[in-house]
Amino acid sequence: GAGVSQSPSNKVTEKGKDVELRCDPISGHTALYWYRQSLGQGLEFLIYFQGNSAPDKSGLPSDRFSAERTGGSVSTLTIQRTQQEDSAVYLCASTQGNEQYFGPGTRLTVT
Amino acid sequence: AQSVTQLGSHVSVSEGALVLLRCNYSSSVPPYLFWYVQYPNQGLQLLLKYTSAATLVKGINGFEAEFKKSETSFHLTKPSAHMSDAAEYFCAVILPEGYGKLTFGQGTILTVHP
Repeated sequence: GAGVSQSPSNKVTEKGKDVELRCDPISGHTALYWYRQSLGQGLEFLIYFQGNSAPDKSGLPSDRFSAERTGGSVSTLTIQRTQQEDSAVYLCASTQGNEQYFGPGTRLTVT
Repeated sequence: AQSVTQLGSHVSVSEGALVLLRCNYSSSVPPYLFWYVQYPNQGLQLLLKYTSAATLVKGINGFEAEFKKSETSFHLTKPSAHMSDAAEYFCAVILPEGYGKLTFGQGTILTVHP
């Protein structure tokens, strides 16, 4: 069956522009997580969605970052006014039980 | 405080040699523990997990890990390294208060020499 998919796979943007990253989780998985992987910080949790509950946004690094999950399925991570330190690979995972299945990631480069 | 620590950012072994990647966690209550592998330019793939059942956990590709509560460790081993094992390996935990989110170690890059 289909795994977690993310788009785009690569995104290059100019500093100050807004970007949207998309995650399509595995069908039927109720929980969805976003993580960021960067050279200096390793793998960091960003945000968590579980069903219809309010998301856990405790990992978002600044108010320029936001995410939504429409209809309990697709999720979009938005970064406004991008900065060079936002350059990283953004990973999405959906969960069945306590096992997280990761997408291939979106590599974001801010120039 | 660091919840999970991987000792050694780089490990190099010869093909056929034992692979040992170290992971220690800090939690008063044993968490769920995972090892993930990441090949270049790919996402994370689950190797194995410990969820309070058997302390010796077998995973894919011949890897296994042993949960040792007394040592708060979850080291990853493979008896005989293969060239295809070259990748970055991440130990991760789900803490009891973590609501299912993974907290990752800093990763260990495994190099396998012919």
